Amino acid sequence: QQQVKQSPQSLIVQKGGISIINCAYENTAFDYFPWYQQFPGKGPALLIAIRPDVSEKKEGRFTISFNKSAKQFSLHIMDSQPGDSATYFCAATPNTGNQFYFGTGTSLTVIP
Amino acid sequence: DTEVTQTPKHLVMGMTNKKSLKCEQHMGHRAMYWYKQKAKKPPELMFVYSYEKLSINESVPSRFSPECPNSSLLNLHLHALQPEDSALYLCASSPTPSGRVYEQYFGPGTRLTVT
Repeated sequence: QQQVKQSPQSLIVQKGGISIINCAYENTAFDYFPWYQQFPGKGPALLIAIRPDVSEKKEGRFTISFNKSAKQFSLHIMDSQPGDSATYFCAATPNTGNQFYFGTGTSLTVIP
Repeated sequence: DTEVTQTPKHLVMGMTNKKSLKCEQHMGHRAMYWYKQKAKKPPELMFVYSYEKLSINESVPSRFSPECPNSSLLNLHLHALQPEDSALYLCASSPTPSGRVYEQYFGPGTRLTVT
């Protein structure tokens, strides 16, 4: 059972455009939501993360929007660049324990 | 230093071989993880060590044997693997303030091919 659902599976965006990736969860015990960026042949790298006490967090061109009542969160990449082409995973971790639950991933391609 | 290192980077082994993967971190993290990742899929949890004790084993076949010799090192011993075990094996670590985890830091992975 997939605890974190992620969409779309793949995304193609023009350079300068906005990339949007969405995730949804059901487990109300989740209270920390990181996003990871993974380039081919590399390990995932922590990109940005949010806790449910805020509705938005911005770091540079990357913004997480969080809707606690809908149990949804999304990653927005503003002014997308070809160097942003990678696979993005959302994840969630509960308020107890030490396990991370990953979404299925989104392959982003930014066309020059 | 926010680095998790893994050796070797690449490994090719036959189905009768015994080999080991090594992971090291010096960030003082007390939670360490092994994941298996197939192409275009999310990391799949295999084992979690918390304060050097195995806390999660996700029903991994016994041909994979984890070991945590100390708080900085994590090994994965491999024996009699199958071709379908070919994958990227990722190690990760997390700080554990107040006993729970937030950030997770991944190593670069070991690309394993079983022939």
